Amino acid sequence: AQRVTQPEKLLSVFKGAPVELKCNYSYSGSPELFWYVQYSRQRLQLLLRHISRESIKGFTADLNKGETSFHLKKPFAQEEDSAMYYCALISNFGNEKLTFGTGTRLTIIP
Amino acid sequence: DADVTQTPRNRITKTGKRIMLECSQTKGHDRMYWYRQDPGLGLRLIYYSFDVKDINKGEISDGYSVSRQAQAKFSLSLESAIPNQTALYFCATSDPGRNSGANVLTFGAGSRLTVL
Repeated sequence: AQRVTQPEKLLSVFKGAPVELKCNYSYSGSPELFWYVQYSRQRLQLLLRHISRESIKGFTADLNKGETSFHLKKPFAQEEDSAMYYCALISNFGNEKLTFGTGTRLTIIP
Repeated sequence: DADVTQTPRNRITKTGKRIMLECSQTKGHDRMYWYRQDPGLGLRLIYYSFDVKDINKGEISDGYSVSRQAQAKFSLSLESAIPNQTALYFCATSDPGRNSGANVLTFGAGSRLTVL
């Protein structure tokens, strides 16, 4: 079975400091990983996906198959980064449904 | 107009009542999903549908049922609501395939349900 673990429910970081939101997964095949974000009073939306290899709003995430991790990083936090962040996994074979982690609420301290 | 519309946005009901949450989409996506969001538990999949004739249970389908009336409509029903079904419910759609948008979920705004 596929599983996504986000060990931190809450994370507070000072503005300008580096941010790292942890995500580990368990899946025996070759997964596709995503980060979704939910800003206050907005819909849940895609932030980035590992196959795109993009930097979105200064965030990056590298898939580390050896450590089965997909941590989200940003070198300098901004106040507008305060939000709920979900890591998610989809298997590319079989039922192809998205499994979410429990989420991390990131608060940027001014 | 929103791509994925959920109604109602908020509902308070009593234990034992039947409740239907509706979802409609203008994305033209074949795949639709119902998730519930609870603090500390994240998003958990209730049911999903890959096309009009396809309905699948998710990880927490007990106490829920769904209907895929058309490609654009996917309804979630609670036949006899109970307090632990109090949650924020999200509908989502996706498009399969190999294009850049494949497997990316588009979410509705959510339906907050309170069961007293």
